Amino acid sequence: EAQVTQNPRYLITVTGKKLTVTCSQNMNHEYMSWYRQDPGLGLRQIYYSMNVEVTDKGDVPEGYKVSRKEKRNFPLILESPSPNQTSLYFCASSRGRGTEAFFGQGTRLTVV
Amino acid sequence: GNSVTQMEGPVTLSEEAFLTINCTYTATGYPSLFWYVQYPGEGLQLLLKATKADDKGSNKGFEATYRKETTSFHLEKGSVQVSDSAVYFCALTTYSSASKIIFGSGTRLSIRP
Repeated sequence: EAQVTQNPRYLITVTGKKLTVTCSQNMNHEYMSWYRQDPGLGLRQIYYSMNVEVTDKGDVPEGYKVSRKEKRNFPLILESPSPNQTSLYFCASSRGRGTEAFFGQGTRLTVV
Repeated sequence: GNSVTQMEGPVTLSEEAFLTINCTYTATGYPSLFWYVQYPGEGLQLLLKATKADDKGSNKGFEATYRKETTSFHLEKGSVQVSDSAVYFCALTTYSSASKIIFGSGTRLSIRP
């Protein structure tokens, strides 16, 4: 089954404790992205990747890192999480430019 | 820049009612247009899409037509069901924007039995 898989689904952590949210897709897609969803602010892109070793900032990249060492994986790293990063995070992949994205189930992160 | 404006919610309808959720867009070039649906506790699922003017996307009884002259992509369904209760997002992407998808603010739909 074609899918984007994120882990964990839920995470509560403390300020400053490094964490990684994993994302994997099995559709051989070139493009992958991370979004965060916040009430009243909608979905905003954090980072994206157009291919292995090619990443770029989205609209809200501050406080996040990503890497794309393999085509299927695109982890999101929070080196020093802060409470304002409490949010619902989605990973997405797409075949190419101008095509629809497929989304993971989401990771609900709470930073206390 | 590119943007999507969609009807504010929440929208509450009775089962079997007709549904319209309005969506208009601003984009340079020729965007692809989408409707995504988010059921409670789940991720976003692609509901339908249209990639050029006058295309009609359809799925699960929902339809939307890409209207270039009015820059609109309104979502319609003739007879809604309780199971259609969800948040609906209108969205667009363009070739020049790489993988970035621009979303509307979302419309929460609740269907009463």
